[in-house]
Amino acid sequence: DGGITQSPKYLFRKEGQNVTLSCEQNLNHDAMYWYRQDPGQGLRLIYYSQIVNDFQKGDIAEGYSVSREKKESFPLTVTSAQKNPTAFYLCASSMFEGGELFFGEGSRLTVL
Amino acid sequence: QQQVKQSPQSLIVQKGGISIINCAYENTAFDYFPWYQQFPGKGPALLIAIRPDVSEKKEGRFTISFNKSAKQFSLHIMDSQPGDSATYFCAASDKSTSGYALNFGKGTSLLVTP
Repeated sequence: DGGITQSPKYLFRKEGQNVTLSCEQNLNHDAMYWYRQDPGQGLRLIYYSQIVNDFQKGDIAEGYSVSREKKESFPLTVTSAQKNPTAFYLCASSMFEGGELFFGEGSRLTVL
Repeated sequence: QQQVKQSPQSLIVQKGGISIINCAYENTAFDYFPWYQQFPGKGPALLIAIRPDVSEKKEGRFTISFNKSAKQFSLHIMDSQPGDSATYFCAASDKSTSGYALNFGKGTSLLVTP
């Protein structure tokens, strides 16, 4: 089945630790995105990538980093510099810019 | 700041009733307005979308109404069913910024009671 796979689904981290969230898609989509979801806040864009080896900051990129070495993969690292990292993280892709976004099932990160 | 303002934050509708969710925007460059539906613990999924060259789009029980002059658009769910209980997000995007990434409203939690 084609789709977006995010892992892990749940993750616990101690303060001061970096953590990497995985996002893999087999839809052959060019564009990939990371959103953060907090209760009552909607979805806010962290980073996006329109092509391999290129990515751009979104509205809330501070404390996060990404890479796009393969078309299928767009991992997100939540660094210790992120002040409030506990959230639900959603990865998405689209065939082209402005196309329908397809979302993964999300990764819930809790910082203890 | 929030580029798309969504209301209400929560909504309770009886089975068979009409659910209405409203969104407003300021950026006149926006040219794509989708609605996403999200069930608990899942990622959002596209429900219906509209572009500003039409004022209304209907797909089954779901209708988007679009008012370009007022910079508002709304989702109407006719004959609402308990299975429609979910969080709904409106969104908007334009090709000139952020790689066409979507700007989302804060969401509306809809509960349809039996």
